Amino acid sequence: AQSVTQLGSHVSVSEGALVLLRCNYSSSVPPYLFWYVQYPNQGLQLLLKYTSAATLVKGINGFEAEFKKSETSFHLTKPSAHMSDAAEYFCAVSGLWGSSASKIIFGSGTRLSIRP
Amino acid sequence: EPEVTQTPSHQVTQMGQEVILRCVPISNHLYFYWYRQILGQKVEFLVSFYNNEISEKSEIFDDQFSVERPDGSNFTLKIRSTKLEDSAMYFCASSEVSTYYGYTFGSGTRLTVV
Repeated sequence: AQSVTQLGSHVSVSEGALVLLRCNYSSSVPPYLFWYVQYPNQGLQLLLKYTSAATLVKGINGFEAEFKKSETSFHLTKPSAHMSDAAEYFCAVSGLWGSSASKIIFGSGTRLSIRP
Repeated sequence: EPEVTQTPSHQVTQMGQEVILRCVPISNHLYFYWYRQILGQKVEFLVSFYNNEISEKSEIFDDQFSVERPDGSNFTLKIRSTKLEDSAMYFCASSEVSTYYGYTFGSGTRLTVV
């Protein structure tokens, strides 16, 4: 079975500060890992994904995440927060394509607030 | 950029009524999904669909739910007899090659059962 745990349902940072959203995964097969963002009243937009190539993955809007197998983590970071980053962020996991665990499973989400 | 289109954006229905939520996936995508998000909660997998049949479904996807791809473009989710607890945002998604590229999600249909 696969799952992700997002630590912190709400994170608040000042504009210009480092953003760190934590995600730990559990997977019985080599995982694919994703971060999605959801702006208010909108759908889910893919920020970035890890699919067993480079462990440091760069995404849109200046976000990046690092896959650490030893820590079973895939934390999302951005060096300098912008007001427009305020949104809900979801970490997600799936198994390799073709495996029985190939659907994407989402974490419970972290709401990011940006203080002026 | 190609989009997944969902209609309607908001639907209000009376308990016990049937609803059909509609989705137009990206044209060259082969895998289709429905997820739901109850207000304030996590995004939950409902069902995946490939090659005109259900690939996998969750325990949420009981006999009240069905999916169909009636033509070459639409992908629908039917709830036969809605319950209050079916109130949620329903997201359709599609992907080209299962999960490798991630899914492209639609903007959702907010279903309110009264």
